[in-house]
Amino acid sequence: NAGVTQTPKFQVLKTGQSMTLQCAQDMNHNSMYWYRQDPGMGLRLIYYSASEGTTDKGEVPNGYNVSRLNKREFSLRLESAAPSQTSVYFCASSEMATGGFTYEQYFGPGTRLTVT
Amino acid sequence: SQQGEEDPQALSIQEGENATMNCSYKTSINNLQWYRQNSGRGLVHLILIRSNEREKHSGRLRVTLDTSKKSSSLLITASRAADTASYFCATVVNTGGFKTIFGAGTRLFVKA
Repeated sequence: NAGVTQTPKFQVLKTGQSMTLQCAQDMNHNSMYWYRQDPGMGLRLIYYSASEGTTDKGEVPNGYNVSRLNKREFSLRLESAAPSQTSVYFCASSEMATGGFTYEQYFGPGTRLTVT
Repeated sequence: SQQGEEDPQALSIQEGENATMNCSYKTSINNLQWYRQNSGRGLVHLILIRSNEREKHSGRLRVTLDTSKKSSSLLITASRAADTASYFCATVVNTGGFKTIFGAGTRLFVKA
């Protein structure tokens, strides 16, 4: 059981380049999330997918797109990277919220992205 | 501004002492969760307390929730050097979908 895996672990991009961050989970969770974490700060939600086939914006969606490829995989795309997107990106998954109750999230190890 | 805010921002204690971290939030919540993050790693879930619960224990962890004051505290008893990490509270709010909002965290350093 690998849990939540993310690729790549590190990436350096030039301004204007594009890239896709990959995330996969093997816990049969319905919900998946993408967060960014800037130095000394908590996590900010970029996008989430409550269940396969749905995606919704979080707090900071500008400059990003997502794809819920199937139940296991949720990718994050930067179409035209900017230095402000330098951050650590975390993917997470959980059981889907039901009846108003939400569940603990399981996190991947993160992708450290630098945009120069 | 973020929904959850931890206090203090940083805490340094000796091994064996207790560590207390506080979290305040602004809006009504469904539940509140505490997570730990070791340096350079992903977050690990510690404990979840529902809005109708006042206290919860898990090993050396004790979490309290006061919905009237919109605050929660995490107590780690008999701390160990391995407890050195950042601790985050996360509140779940319903804004047309349930979203988890993380605070900025408390950085705990336990000296051996």
